[in-house]
This record gives sequence, structure tokens and C-alpha cells, in this order.
Amino acid sequence: GQNIDQPTEMTATEGAIVQINCTYQTSGFNGLFWYQQHAGEAPTFLSYNVLDGLEEKGRFSSFLSRSKGYSYLLLKELQMKDSASYLCAVSPNDYKLSFGAGTTVTVRA
Amino acid sequence: GAVVSQHPSRVICKSGTSVKIECRSLDFQATTMFWYRQFPKQSLMLMATSNEGSKATYEQGVEKDKFLINHASLTLSTLTVTSAHPEDSSFYICSARDRARSTEAFFGQGTRLTVV
Repeated sequence: GQNIDQPTEMTATEGAIVQINCTYQTSGFNGLFWYQQHAGEAPTFLSYNVLDGLEEKGRFSSFLSRSKGYSYLLLKELQMKDSASYLCAVSPNDYKLSFGAGTTVTVRA
Repeated sequence: GAVVSQHPSRVICKSGTSVKIECRSLDFQATTMFWYRQFPKQSLMLMATSNEGSKATYEQGVEKDKFLINHASLTLSTLTVTSAHPEDSSFYICSARDRARSTEAFFGQGTRLTVV
């Protein structure tokens, strides 16, 4: 089976930085994804990592270490609209995605 | 980016009736689509993998006779919840991966099903 762990909740202040960690143990590895999901809406794609290292995309960055089974999503210059659930998902050796339980981020003024 | 359209966005039905949810890839061909179910404050649980022109592959614990999946074309997959019960009330989401751009999975808007 697939095991993907991430914290349940995080709270941060507007303008601050928050790092959401994700650890995984899967039967194979074909990439790790981060999605943002607002309540009642479908997930939207944020990032994809398949090689070790940091991928930066605007205020969001994602890091991967395959040897450690570890990734993080870094959100900089937090805005109120960033309050959402952030899902870590791993693709095993095919086109499936296995999702973590999600991390609810609350941004406070 | 690629667009996946899911319809309806909300549906309320009576117990015992069936509901069909459509998932369309609008600007790419999706040989494989996925159906997820999400309970409040929980993550997405994969129900089944829908393959164009062949039978769907269901995850363990998902009743294939209750959740009928049809993938008749490269751009359309349907999920039919048969003989719905209140415990089937949930958020159902489809996704598709564009094999020409294999890194992303694109999600439909989701369907909020309420069975009364």
C-alpha cells in the first residue's frame, strides 16, 4: 500500500512563510505533486517534483528528497486567500495518484 | 492548462434512485480517467480507474455494481451511483491525465451528491 503523511493543520500570519512537510512510503515513485484545495472545490495543481531539489514557482516552492521519502511545500508572503487545504500526492509506477490527508492552512491577519 | 469538465456540480436525489455524473476532457484526449470520493475534511480516496474502451479497475472495498463506470470515448467517462443511499452522500471528483503532458493531473469541478 501507499503511506503518505502530512500535518493536519497549520496556522500562520499574513505575510509570513509556512512550510508543509510530507513524508511518503510507496510501492514505486513516479513523481510527487502538491495541490491546493479550497473548501467545496476541486484541487488545483501547484507543483510537481520528480528529481531531487527545489522547484520554485512564484510564492510557492516545493522540495523533494527521494532518498528520504520527503517533500515540503513552502508558501511565502502568505495572503488571506492562501487559506486552504494543501494535498501531497505521490504517483507510484503508473498514472494513479495517492493522496495524503491534506494540511489545512489558516492565514490570520 | 487542460480543462476537465464535470457535471452536475450539485445533485440531490431520493434514496433508491440512480445518479449519473459526467466527466469530460475538453481539450485533450484522456485514455485514463480517475474517480475519487471525498468526505468532509478528509482527503481524496481513489474509487476506480477508468480506461477508454475497457472495464474500469476498482479499488479494494469499492462495489463495482453500485458505482458503474463507463469510459466510452477518449473524452468522456461517466460514474453512475446506483440505488443511492444517504451514506453515498459525498463529494465525487474526476481527474484525467493528459498523456502528451504527463506531469499534471487535471481535476473536474467535483459533484456534491446529497441523497435524501
